[in-house]
Amino acid sequence: EDKVVQSPLSLVVHEGDTVTLNCSYEVTNFRSLLWYKQEKKAPTFLFMLTSSGIEKKSGRLSSILDKKELFSILNITATQTGDSAVYLCAGGGAGTASKLTFGTGTRLQVTL
Amino acid sequence: EPEVTQTPSHQVTQMGQEVILHCVPISNHLYFYWYRQILGQKVEFLVSFYNNEISEKSEIFDDQFSVERPDGSNFTLKIRSTKLEDSAMYFCASTPNSGANVLTFGAGSRLTVL
Repeated sequence: EDKVVQSPLSLVVHEGDTVTLNCSYEVTNFRSLLWYKQEKKAPTFLFMLTSSGIEKKSGRLSSILDKKELFSILNITATQTGDSAVYLCAGGGAGTASKLTFGTGTRLQVTL
Repeated sequence: EPEVTQTPSHQVTQMGQEVILHCVPISNHLYFYWYRQILGQKVEFLVSFYNNEISEKSEIFDDQFSVERPDGSNFTLKIRSTKLEDSAMYFCASTPNSGANVLTFGAGSRLTVL
C-alpha cells in the first residue's frame, strides 16, 4: 500500500523564521511528488518534483526531491503570517490516471 | 484562471438519505477525480474517471458510491444511503491528461450526516 509520511505534524514559528517541512514516501511506480497548500478549503498546488536533486523555487518557497532516499523537503524562508496553512505532500504513481496518495499534512502557524 | 466548481458548499442530511454532489471540472480537462477528507484526517482518493468510465477506485468507494458524467460539463458523486462516517469534505479534481499528476481541486463540498 502506498504511503506518505510528513513531519512535523505541526509547527509554530515567528514571522521571519525559516522552516523546513519533511515528506517521505513509498509509492508504487513513483512518478512525481507534489506539494500543496491548504488554507480553509481546497488544496492549492505549489510544486511538482519528478527529478532527484533539482530544486524547484517560487519566491520564498523551494522544494527538492531525493529519489534515492524517497524524501522531499519544502523550505519557506522569511515566513509571513499569510504562510499559515496546512502543507500537504502527495505522491503520484504512473498509470492510467493520476491518483495521489497524501500525507496527513504539516500545520504551520506563523505568529507576529 | 480556470477553476473546478463544486456545489453545494455544505449539505446536511439524515442518515440513510441519498446525496448527490456536483462538480464542473475545467473545460479542457479529460480526467476527473473525487477525494474526501474526514475532519482532521488526510485527503483520501475515492475514484478517478476518464472517457465515461471509472479508471480506478479505492476500497472506500464501495457499492454505496457512484459517479456519473450526465452531460458535457457536470461530474457527480452519488452516495446512495449515507452513513454517519460519510461526513467529510468531498473534493472534486481534474487534470488535462493522464501524464499530469497536478490535480486542480475544487473548493469542496462539506457533507454532514446526522
